[in-house]
Amino acid sequence: QVQLQQSGAELAKPGSSVKISCKASGYTFTSYYISWIKQTTGQGLEYIGYINTGSGGTNYNEKFKGKATLTVDKSSSTAFMQLSSLTPDDSAVYYCARRGGFDYWGQGVMVTVSS
Amino acid sequence: DIQMTQSPSFLSATVGDRVTINCKASQNINKYLNWYQQKLGEAPKRLIYNTNSLQTGIPSRFSGSGSGTDYTLTISSLQPEDVATYFCLQHNSGLTFGSGTKLEIK
Repeated sequence: QVQLQQSGAELAKPGSSVKISCKASGYTFTSYYISWIKQTTGQGLEYIGYINTGSGGTNYNEKFKGKATLTVDKSSSTAFMQLSSLTPDDSAVYYCARRGGFDYWGQGVMVTVSS
Repeated sequence: DIQMTQSPSFLSATVGDRVTINCKASQNINKYLNWYQQKLGEAPKRLIYNTNSLQTGIPSRFSGSGSGTDYTLTISSLQPEDVATYFCLQHNSGLTFGSGTKLEIK
């Protein structure tokens, strides 16, 4: 069955970076792009961007350019998102989702930015 | 960018009630509208895709309708396990989400 397994919760200091992962299984990884979504209580759900899992090409929501960097490792069927120059506003749950219907989502990663 | 306006934000209903949740897009989204259910602490689960196609395994009491800019999720007979937050997602142009509807049982 299709699964997107994300890495564990992160506690980070302001100004630092975190890199979270999304490991796919149960389907051909390169057949679907992976999208990333941010969820907060205040702002709701926001689209960060997506990565072409075959070519590594990316597309970002303007708001997240410079904040998020999407990469992929085809050999392990894993997509990654690095968040840089973290501020408390980056505290959120981050989801990966299979693009092409947005049918399957990872379980989410809670990122907490605090000194 | 396409904006999605979802209503109501909060809904309290009785078991067995017919429940409707609405999403209005700022422009025509050509039926590229999905509905999700999210229970506390869980990942979103897709219920309906492309306006009215029921996801495999989802009970038939869930249905979707709409066109153009106006879309509706209907639960025909509310069950206790339907307590959750529901949101819409348009994927016609970019990706934007509704603000969510928190559904509780009276």
